[in-house]
Amino acid sequence: EVQLVESGGGLVQPGGSLRLSCAASGFTFSSYWIHWVRQAPGRGLVWVSRINYDGSLTGYADSVKGRFTISRDNAKNTLYLQMNSLRAEDTAVYYCARADNMDVWGQGTTVTVSS
Amino acid sequence: QSALTQPASVSGSPGQSITISCTGTSSDVGNYNLVSWYQQYPGKVPKLMIYEVTKRPSGVSYRFSGSKSGNTASLTISGLQAEDEADYYCCSYVGGNIWVFGGGTKLTVL
Repeated sequence: EVQLVESGGGLVQPGGSLRLSCAASGFTFSSYWIHWVRQAPGRGLVWVSRINYDGSLTGYADSVKGRFTISRDNAKNTLYLQMNSLRAEDTAVYYCARADNMDVWGQGTTVTVSS
Repeated sequence: QSALTQPASVSGSPGQSITISCTGTSSDVGNYNLVSWYQQYPGKVPKLMIYEVTKRPSGVSYRFSGSKSGNTASLTISGLQAEDEADYYCCSYVGGNIWVFGGGTKLTVL
């Protein structure tokens, strides 16, 4: 079964850091670009970041550029999102999604930034 | 990176057809055939409904179709059914390895 499973969310204080993971299974992970998308409570989907097959090409939304870093370990079939200098407005469910058409989504992991 | 513009809400009666618009600019929607649409029920994971403007993934009902004219993409749902009531989001490539979603549209089936 093709699957993405996010983990690493939790409660963190403003200014803190968190690393999210997205474990892939059921497909050739190294053949796909992968996105991170987030959704604040009661709000819409917001694109966060995207990484190419081997990690050499990345893109970020202006709202996270310079604070978040996307990376991947193809040997472990895992995508990461390192989030630093977290703000209250980063509070959201974070999803990873496969390929440019985002045809497969994980169930999401919740990040809460609050003191 | 401005969000694409979608109507906040649309509604229709069972059996009718509705269209949800997604307006961008000549730099995103108008410049790339990389517009996709997602359906999301409350508390659930988004589901891909249309990709590359007009393509429908396997398993998605033929009642869902996509199109584009200039800087505006559209999702049309024909033969509206109660189960279609959900939030719908468009998404487009912007260039420079950047993507953007629309603000979302709540579809109500009357």
